[in-house]
Amino acid sequence: EVQLVQSGAEVKKPGESLKISCKGSGYSFTSYWIGWVRQMPGKGLEWMGIIYPGDSDTRYSPSFQGQVTISADKSISTAYLQWSSLKASDTAMYYCARLFYLGYFQHWGQGTLVTVSS
Amino acid sequence: EIVMTQSPATLSVSPGERATLSCRASQSVSSNLAWYQQKPGQAPRLLIYGASTRATGIPARFSGSGSGTEFTLTISSLQSEDFAVYYCQQYNNWPQTFGQGTKLEIK
Repeated sequence: EVQLVQSGAEVKKPGESLKISCKGSGYSFTSYWIGWVRQMPGKGLEWMGIIYPGDSDTRYSPSFQGQVTISADKSISTAYLQWSSLKASDTAMYYCARLFYLGYFQHWGQGTLVTVSS
Repeated sequence: EIVMTQSPATLSVSPGERATLSCRASQSVSSNLAWYQQKPGQAPRLLIYGASTRATGIPARFSGSGSGTEFTLTISSLQSEDFAVYYCQQYNNWPQTFGQGTKLEIK
């Protein structure tokens, strides 16, 4: 069974850094793209970017390029989403999801809630 | 960037009735269109991919149609568990984009 298990909720202050994780199991982690999706409170889904853990090829939406960094450690089947300096507007639920090739999101993690507040 | 527009924003339907949700792309996405269902407090769930193919375990009352720029998700006989928010997503062009969602509520 394919599973994506995300790290727990975070409460941070503006300007702090953060790295959240998504651990895949039940499939070949290096053979499928993993993506990140943002959902701000009460809002819709936003496609942020994707990574291919096999070679770390990474692609970002222009809206998120330079704002976050997506990475992966294939030795522990884990993908990451990180911020160097959080803003209040980064407050959201963040989902990781496994893509079917470069297409749709086939399997989803449970989400990580990030709250940024002074 | 391709803009996906869903209509209506909210749809009120009685249990047992049919629901029809629409999704329009600002340019052709061929059949590279997926639909997701999201219930409160849960992650989205894949319903349809390739515009019309049901994902594993999705009941036959869910069907998708369309190609190019116009797409439809139909739920033939609404069950209580179907009341949720539905999103379309195109994966034909970079970056992939979602529609803003349609909330399906009980009438």
